[in-house]
Amino acid sequence: AQSVTQPDARVTVSEGASLQLRCKYSYSATPYLFWYVQYPRQGLQLLLKYYSGDPVVQGVNSFEAEFSKSNSSFHLQKASVHWSDSAVYFCALSMNYGNEKITFGAGTKLTIKP
Amino acid sequence: DAGVTQTPRHEVAEKGQTIILKCEPVSGHNDLFWYRQTKIQGLELLSYFRSKSLMEDGGAFKDRFKAEMLNSSFSTLKIQPTEPKDSAVYLCASSLGNTGQLYFGEGSKLTVL
Repeated sequence: AQSVTQPDARVTVSEGASLQLRCKYSYSATPYLFWYVQYPRQGLQLLLKYYSGDPVVQGVNSFEAEFSKSNSSFHLQKASVHWSDSAVYFCALSMNYGNEKITFGAGTKLTIKP
Repeated sequence: DAGVTQTPRHEVAEKGQTIILKCEPVSGHNDLFWYRQTKIQGLELLSYFRSKSLMEDGGAFKDRFKAEMLNSSFSTLKIQPTEPKDSAVYLCASSLGNTGQLYFGEGSKLTVL
């Protein structure tokens, strides 16, 4: 069975600092990977997705993520965070392209300090 | 285009009551999902429909949870009877299918006393 682990439940960074949110997955084949963001009192929104090819994928709001098969990881990064990035971030995977059944990690709550 | 619409946004129920949550997916989407979100368990898949056919009915939730998709533009999630442990946010999501992108509603927050 597949699983997604986000080891950090909460992360706090200062505005303007760089950010990395960690994600590890467990799946026997190459998964399809996603990052979703949830702002307060809203549903989840897709930030970016990885299917194949270049292991670094770009997303909205200058977020990017890097896929590593050797480390079974898909960490999310941003060079300079803004206060509006405060939200909960979810890493997720599906087993194959077009399989819309997605398994989500527990989420990381990101707080931006002024 | 309208996004995923969920009603009600908030529901308070007494233990043992029956509640029905509603979802209207994005027009034209083929797939519809119901998730339960709690701080402890995170997002748990309750049900998954493809073109109105039930593809998955989350095992642990079968006994008191029933999702239906009466037509391509409307789905319900019935919880009967409710228990305090059902207190959570229930999220509905839809997808075109074969895209890997889910579109979520804002959720229905259920509190069972």
